[in-house]
Amino acid sequence: LAKTTQPISMDSYEGQEVNITCSHNNIATNDYITWYQQFPSQGPRFIIQGYKTKVTNEVASLFIPADRKSSTLSLPRVSLSDTAVYYCLASNTGKLIFGQGTTLQVKP
Amino acid sequence: EAGVTQSPTHLIKTRGQQATLRCSPISGHTSVYWYQQALGLGLQFLLWYDEGEERNRGNFPPRFSGRQFPNYSSELNVNALELEDSALYLCASSFGTRGYNEQFFGPGTRLTVL
Repeated sequence: LAKTTQPISMDSYEGQEVNITCSHNNIATNDYITWYQQFPSQGPRFIIQGYKTKVTNEVASLFIPADRKSSTLSLPRVSLSDTAVYYCLASNTGKLIFGQGTTLQVKP
Repeated sequence: EAGVTQSPTHLIKTRGQQATLRCSPISGHTSVYWYQQALGLGLQFLLWYDEGEERNRGNFPPRFSGRQFPNYSSELNVNALELEDSALYLCASSFGTRGYNEQFFGPGTRLTVL
């Protein structure tokens, strides 16, 4: 299972775009990169998943360079309700290893 | 469509007792996962069941055990409770067993050991 490294915390303001980068140097060929969001006292919620290049859905974009050793979660125009912990995972099985995650604080 | 459900919401036990936590996956999901989230320690993978079989377990002692029933619901048992077992226990389910299958998490069971 690939170990991931991401910043412990980030601050932003409402309406800004937020980019959270995750490093996964020993990612395996068949690993997928997945991001989850977690609010206090709740279970994590799936945000987006990708294998390479760029993936976009209604809430976020995921950029993965060709070497796949890192990935960037992009949240457009954040709001106060986006304040949460964001986890980056690299896995090809059901066993998910969550790191510390990035605590995003959105300020008014 | 109903999400993952867990019961009870809160559970208070004393040291040495046993705790049983229950999880019902989303209809159609065959895999169930258990995670422990203790204060300050983050989410720790506990167990993974699929089609009634234990597929993998995390670095937890044998007193953490569980099972999956024919209807795919699951039970987590914690024997000989210790104070450090106090945590939020989260259950998740997925349709398949690969890492690219999204896991849907339940609201959790808050276990307090006194």
